[in-house]
Amino acid sequence: EAGVAQSPRYKIIEKRQSVAFWCNPISGHATLYWYQQILGQGPKLLIQFQNNGVVDDSQLPKDRFSAERLKGVDSTLKIQPAKLEDSAVYLCASSLQGSYGYTFGSGTRLTVV
Amino acid sequence: AQSVTQLGSHVSVSEGALVLLRCNYSSSVPPYLFWYVQYPNQGLQLLLKYTSAATLVKGINGFEAEFKKSETSFHLTKPSAHMSDAAEYFCAVRQGGSEKLVFGKGTKLTVNP
Repeated sequence: EAGVAQSPRYKIIEKRQSVAFWCNPISGHATLYWYQQILGQGPKLLIQFQNNGVVDDSQLPKDRFSAERLKGVDSTLKIQPAKLEDSAVYLCASSLQGSYGYTFGSGTRLTVV
Repeated sequence: AQSVTQLGSHVSVSEGALVLLRCNYSSSVPPYLFWYVQYPNQGLQLLLKYTSAATLVKGINGFEAEFKKSETSFHLTKPSAHMSDAAEYFCAVRQGGSEKLVFGKGTKLTVNP
């Protein structure tokens, strides 16, 4: 089966600019997650979707981050405006409802200068 | 809330030597525990998972982990290290009542020839 697709792989932007990341989960996976992985740390959940509804966005900095999952398939994560501390790898993952463990995409490495 | 602690941010072994990566968990309920591996510039790949069945869990690439409730541990081992095992390894616990994974800070494994 095809894996979780993410684009772009790399992005460099200046602070205060905006950026968007895209994720296409594995077909049939109802649950989609966005994680932020800062260098030297483990991934941290930003937002979890079940189909097109938000299950958990408690750690999403809502003043600058937004995410949507229209039609319950693809998802977009946006940062506006970006800060230097947003430099990280943004990982998308998906899973079947009730299963154990996720399948991760390769991630998008964001550098804010 | 559940959490995991990985002891040692860097571990170095010789090729052919035993690999031991340590993970201790904190959970008020029986946990679901996971080990993931991350190769450079890639996403996370599931190595193995404990879901309250057998306490000794075998995973891919010759890795295994043993769940020890008395020690609140879930250490990852491999009898003989290979150069291709060099990567970063993350222990994670699933939050009770949700599908959210909480990750440790990771252990970077170096394998010396």
